[in-house]
Amino acid sequence: NAGVTQTPKFQVLKTGQSMTLQCAQDMNHNSMYWYRQDPGMGLRLIYYSASEGTTDKGEVPNGYNVSRLNKREFSLRLESAAPSQTSVYFCASRGGRGYGYTFGSGTRLTVV
Amino acid sequence: GEDVEQSLFLSVREGDSSVINCTYTDSSSTYLYWYKQEPGAGLQLLTYIFSNMDMKQDQRLTVLLNKKDKHLSLRIADTQTGDSAIYFCAERGPGTASKLTFGTGTRLQVTL
Repeated sequence: NAGVTQTPKFQVLKTGQSMTLQCAQDMNHNSMYWYRQDPGMGLRLIYYSASEGTTDKGEVPNGYNVSRLNKREFSLRLESAAPSQTSVYFCASRGGRGYGYTFGSGTRLTVV
Repeated sequence: GEDVEQSLFLSVREGDSSVINCTYTDSSSTYLYWYKQEPGAGLQLLTYIFSNMDMKQDQRLTVLLNKKDKHLSLRIADTQTGDSAIYFCAERGPGTASKLTFGTGTRLQVTL
């Protein structure tokens, strides 16, 4: 199984540009999540989708939008990128052992 | 809200035991998890413990849970250089839509 696949792996944007981070899982999990990871701050939840057709804000949603396209795919959009959004972004889905999360390998985003 | 705290850094010699500690605040936590993150990679689920258990052993890993003190620890026996990574603890509250709250991570450095 591929698990959780994120694209792209690396991206450099100029301030004000937009982009969409893609995430897909093949484990038939209902719930999917977007986190950002910054040094010394652990993982912070941006948005999540408890099931297909629903999305909710997490801890740090400002500047982001999401779409749960179907059960497999959950995308994260930056409409107007800012340097403060420079981070590593992780997508995850929930299921399996102890109902824990399975993570993708991350997207390293730099906004200049 | 939920809060999970960890020390930032731990250094041990190869062959020694490592103990990584975590405290959490949510008394209704149902599952607690330990994740490992190697450089440039996503988070990998190492082990988890259900909240009604005190201890769980899985090969070199031992998880201890003191629910009264809301304290979780991960012991790695015979620590190897391949164990060098960041270790995150996480807790999950009750309910099917509950999210994981992560600590800030403990960087484990294994020296020769």
